[in-house]
Amino acid sequence: NAGVTQTPKFQVLKTGQSMTLQCAQDMNHNSMYWYRQDPGMGLRLIYYSASEGTTDKGEVPNGYNVSRLNKREFSLRLESAAPSQTSVYFCASSASDGYGYTFGSGTRLTVV
Amino acid sequence: GNSVTQMEGPVTLSEEAFLTINCTYTATGYPSLFWYVQYPGEGLQLLLKATKADDKGSNKGFEATYRKETTSFHLEKGSVQVSDSAVYFCALFLLNEKLTFGTGTRLTIIP
Repeated sequence: NAGVTQTPKFQVLKTGQSMTLQCAQDMNHNSMYWYRQDPGMGLRLIYYSASEGTTDKGEVPNGYNVSRLNKREFSLRLESAAPSQTSVYFCASSASDGYGYTFGSGTRLTVV
Repeated sequence: GNSVTQMEGPVTLSEEAFLTINCTYTATGYPSLFWYVQYPGEGLQLLLKATKADDKGSNKGFEATYRKETTSFHLEKGSVQVSDSAVYFCALFLLNEKLTFGTGTRLTIIP
Protein backbone atom coordinates (compact mmCIF):
# COMPACT_ATOMS: atom_id res chain seq x y z
CA ASN A 1 0.00 0.00 0.00
CA ALA A 2 1.18 3.51 -0.81
CA GLY A 3 2.10 5.59 2.18
CA VAL A 4 4.78 6.81 4.55
CA THR A 5 7.20 4.30 6.05
CA GLN A 6 9.20 5.07 9.19
CA THR A 7 12.00 3.06 10.72
CA PRO A 8 12.65 2.00 13.37
CA LYS A 9 9.35 1.63 15.25
CA PHE A 10 10.99 1.57 18.67
CA GLN A 11 14.39 2.69 19.94
CA VAL A 12 16.06 3.10 23.30
CA LEU A 13 19.13 5.33 23.46
CA LYS A 14 21.51 6.32 26.20
CA THR A 15 22.06 10.01 26.83
CA GLY A 16 24.64 11.31 24.40
CA GLN A 17 24.17 8.64 21.76
CA SER A 18 23.25 9.54 18.22
CA MET A 19 20.77 8.04 15.81
CA THR A 20 18.91 8.70 12.59
CA LEU A 21 15.21 8.18 12.07
CA GLN A 22 14.37 7.22 8.53
CA CYS A 23 11.27 8.19 6.56
CA ALA A 24 10.27 7.35 3.01
CA GLN A 25 7.12 8.08 1.02
CA ASP A 26 6.02 6.60 -2.27
CA MET A 27 3.26 9.05 -3.18
CA ASN A 28 5.45 11.46 -5.14
CA HIS A 29 4.73 14.19 -2.56
CA ASN A 30 6.80 17.34 -2.64
CA SER A 31 6.59 18.24 1.05
CA MET A 32 7.71 16.22 4.05
CA TYR A 33 7.59 16.89 7.79
CA TRP A 34 8.88 15.64 11.11
CA TYR A 35 6.72 16.01 14.21
CA ARG A 36 7.08 14.96 17.80
CA GLN A 37 4.13 14.01 19.96
CA ASP A 38 4.22 14.44 23.70
CA PRO A 39 1.40 13.93 26.21
CA GLY A 40 -0.80 17.01 26.48
CA MET A 41 1.21 18.85 23.81
CA GLY A 42 -0.31 17.57 20.62
CA LEU A 43 2.00 17.45 17.62
CA ARG A 44 4.83 19.91 17.31
CA LEU A 45 6.68 20.49 14.06
CA ILE A 46 10.43 19.88 14.27
CA TYR A 47 11.54 20.41 10.66
CA TYR A 48 9.95 20.36 7.26
CA SER A 49 10.99 20.21 3.63
CA ALA A 50 8.78 21.98 1.13
CA SER A 51 10.57 20.39 -1.79
CA GLU A 52 13.62 18.31 -2.61
CA GLY A 53 16.76 20.19 -1.65
CA THR A 54 15.14 22.52 0.88
CA THR A 55 14.66 22.21 4.63
CA ASP A 56 13.36 24.65 7.23
CA LYS A 57 13.00 24.78 10.97
CA GLY A 58 9.67 24.26 12.61
CA GLU A 59 8.51 24.99 16.13
CA VAL A 60 11.02 22.84 18.06
CA PRO A 61 14.20 22.28 15.97
CA ASN A 62 16.84 22.44 18.71
CA GLY A 63 18.81 19.21 19.08
CA TYR A 64 17.82 17.88 15.66
CA ASN A 65 19.07 17.93 12.11
CA VAL A 66 17.40 16.75 8.94
CA SER A 67 18.35 15.66 5.45
CA ARG A 68 16.11 15.56 2.42
CA LEU A 69 18.04 12.87 0.62
CA ASN A 70 15.80 12.84 -2.44
CA LYS A 71 12.14 13.35 -3.17
CA ARG A 72 11.19 10.14 -1.35
CA GLU A 73 13.33 10.26 1.76
CA PHE A 74 13.56 12.66 4.70
CA SER A 75 15.67 11.68 7.70
CA LEU A 76 15.84 13.11 11.21
CA ARG A 77 19.08 12.94 13.18
CA LEU A 78 19.71 13.30 16.87
CA GLU A 79 23.41 14.03 17.30
CA SER A 80 23.52 13.77 21.09
CA ALA A 81 20.32 12.40 22.54
CA ALA A 82 18.87 13.88 25.72
CA PRO A 83 16.07 12.58 27.98
CA SER A 84 13.96 15.57 26.88
CA GLN A 85 13.89 14.00 23.42
CA THR A 86 11.96 11.01 24.67
CA SER A 87 8.86 11.17 22.51
CA VAL A 88 6.95 9.63 19.65
CA TYR A 89 8.17 10.91 16.30
CA PHE A 90 5.98 11.09 13.22
CA CYS A 91 6.95 11.70 9.65
CA ALA A 92 4.36 13.05 7.22
CA SER A 93 4.16 14.07 3.60
CA SER A 94 1.82 16.17 1.48
CA ALA A 95 1.34 16.79 -2.22
CA SER A 96 2.01 20.51 -1.87
CA ASP A 97 2.84 22.55 1.16
CA GLY A 98 -0.56 21.94 2.68
CA TYR A 99 -3.38 19.64 1.85
CA GLY A 100 -3.68 15.92 2.32
CA TYR A 101 -1.06 15.10 4.91
CA THR A 102 -0.24 11.38 5.16
CA PHE A 103 1.43 10.20 8.35
CA GLY A 104 3.73 7.31 9.10
CA SER A 105 3.03 5.00 12.02
CA GLY A 106 5.60 6.62 14.27
CA THR A 107 8.86 5.90 16.09
CA ARG A 108 8.73 5.60 19.86
CA LEU A 109 12.06 6.85 21.19
CA THR A 110 13.19 6.59 24.79
CA VAL A 111 16.37 8.28 25.96
CA VAL A 112 17.68 7.05 29.31
CA GLY B 1 -0.60 33.54 15.06
CA ASN B 2 -2.79 30.63 14.11
CA SER B 3 -4.02 28.28 16.80
CA VAL B 4 -6.51 25.51 17.49
CA THR B 5 -8.17 24.88 20.82
CA GLN B 6 -9.83 21.58 21.57
CA MET B 7 -11.84 20.46 24.54
CA GLU B 8 -9.61 18.72 27.03
CA GLY B 9 -10.00 15.04 27.54
CA PRO B 10 -10.13 12.34 28.27
CA VAL B 11 -13.71 11.78 27.23
CA THR B 12 -15.39 8.53 28.26
CA LEU B 13 -18.77 7.54 26.85
CA SER B 14 -20.94 4.47 26.75
CA GLU B 15 -21.54 2.72 23.45
CA GLU B 16 -24.33 4.33 21.37
CA ALA B 17 -23.99 7.66 23.16
CA PHE B 18 -23.88 10.97 21.29
CA LEU B 19 -20.44 12.48 20.87
CA THR B 20 -19.35 16.09 20.60
CA ILE B 21 -15.73 17.20 20.69
CA ASN B 22 -15.40 20.96 20.59
CA CYS B 23 -12.84 22.74 18.44
CA THR B 24 -12.34 26.46 17.95
CA TYR B 25 -9.66 28.22 15.97
CA THR B 26 -7.86 31.50 15.53
CA ALA B 27 -6.46 32.28 12.13
CA THR B 28 -5.44 35.18 9.95
CA GLY B 29 -7.33 34.54 6.76
CA TYR B 30 -9.67 31.73 5.76
CA PRO B 31 -8.31 28.36 6.77
CA SER B 32 -9.26 24.87 5.78
CA LEU B 33 -10.23 22.75 8.77
CA PHE B 34 -9.57 19.10 9.47
CA TRP B 35 -10.21 16.35 11.96
CA TYR B 36 -7.56 13.65 12.24
CA VAL B 37 -7.90 10.41 14.21
CA GLN B 38 -5.12 8.40 15.81
CA TYR B 39 -5.90 4.81 16.75
CA PRO B 40 -3.71 3.13 19.38
CA GLY B 41 -0.18 2.51 18.12
CA GLU B 42 -0.80 4.15 14.77
CA GLY B 43 -0.14 7.42 13.00
CA LEU B 44 -2.74 10.08 12.31
CA GLN B 45 -5.34 9.54 9.62
CA LEU B 46 -7.50 12.18 8.02
CA LEU B 47 -11.08 11.73 9.23
CA LEU B 48 -12.83 14.62 7.53
CA LYS B 49 -12.26 18.13 6.25
CA ALA B 50 -14.01 21.35 5.24
CA THR B 51 -12.45 24.01 3.08
CA LYS B 52 -14.85 26.94 3.39
CA ALA B 53 -17.48 28.42 5.64
CA ASP B 54 -20.70 26.37 6.08
CA ASP B 55 -19.12 23.28 4.51
CA LYS B 56 -19.87 20.04 6.32
CA GLY B 57 -17.27 17.33 6.36
CA SER B 58 -18.38 13.78 7.03
CA ASN B 59 -16.91 10.30 7.21
CA LYS B 60 -17.60 7.05 9.10
CA GLY B 61 -20.67 8.61 10.76
CA PHE B 62 -18.70 11.61 12.03
CA GLU B 63 -19.63 15.13 10.98
CA ALA B 64 -18.26 18.63 11.49
CA THR B 65 -19.50 21.95 10.12
CA TYR B 66 -17.22 24.90 9.42
CA ARG B 67 -18.76 27.81 11.36
CA LYS B 68 -17.03 31.03 10.46
CA GLU B 69 -19.20 33.18 12.74
CA THR B 70 -18.17 31.19 15.81
CA THR B 71 -14.74 30.10 14.45
CA SER B 72 -15.62 26.53 15.31
CA PHE B 73 -15.46 23.04 13.80
CA HIS B 74 -17.01 20.73 16.38
CA LEU B 75 -16.88 16.98 15.76
CA GLU B 76 -20.10 15.02 16.26
CA LYS B 77 -21.32 11.45 15.98
CA GLY B 78 -24.79 10.27 16.76
CA SER B 79 -23.98 6.81 18.11
CA VAL B 80 -20.42 5.91 19.03
CA GLN B 81 -18.92 2.43 18.98
CA VAL B 82 -16.09 0.85 20.91
CA SER B 83 -14.03 0.98 17.72
CA ASP B 84 -14.21 4.79 17.81
CA SER B 85 -11.89 4.83 20.82
CA ALA B 86 -8.92 6.92 19.68
CA VAL B 87 -7.31 10.33 19.96
CA TYR B 88 -8.91 13.02 17.82
CA PHE B 89 -7.04 16.08 16.58
CA CYS B 90 -8.54 19.23 15.14
CA ALA B 91 -6.27 21.10 12.72
CA LEU B 92 -6.25 24.11 10.45
CA PHE B 93 -4.34 24.90 7.30
CA LEU B 94 -3.63 28.18 5.56
CA LEU B 95 -2.00 28.37 2.16
CA ASN B 96 1.78 28.77 2.36
CA GLU B 97 1.78 27.88 6.03
CA LYS B 98 1.90 24.63 7.96
CA LEU B 99 -0.84 22.42 9.34
CA THR B 100 -1.56 23.58 12.90
CA PHE B 101 -2.87 20.98 15.33
CA GLY B 102 -4.82 21.14 18.54
CA THR B 103 -3.55 19.16 21.52
CA GLY B 104 -5.83 16.19 20.85
CA THR B 105 -8.76 14.66 22.74
CA ARG B 106 -8.62 11.08 23.92
CA LEU B 107 -11.95 9.29 23.51
CA THR B 108 -12.74 6.01 25.23
CA ILE B 109 -15.99 4.15 24.52
CA ILE B 110 -17.18 1.64 27.10
CA PRO B 111 -19.29 -1.34 25.94
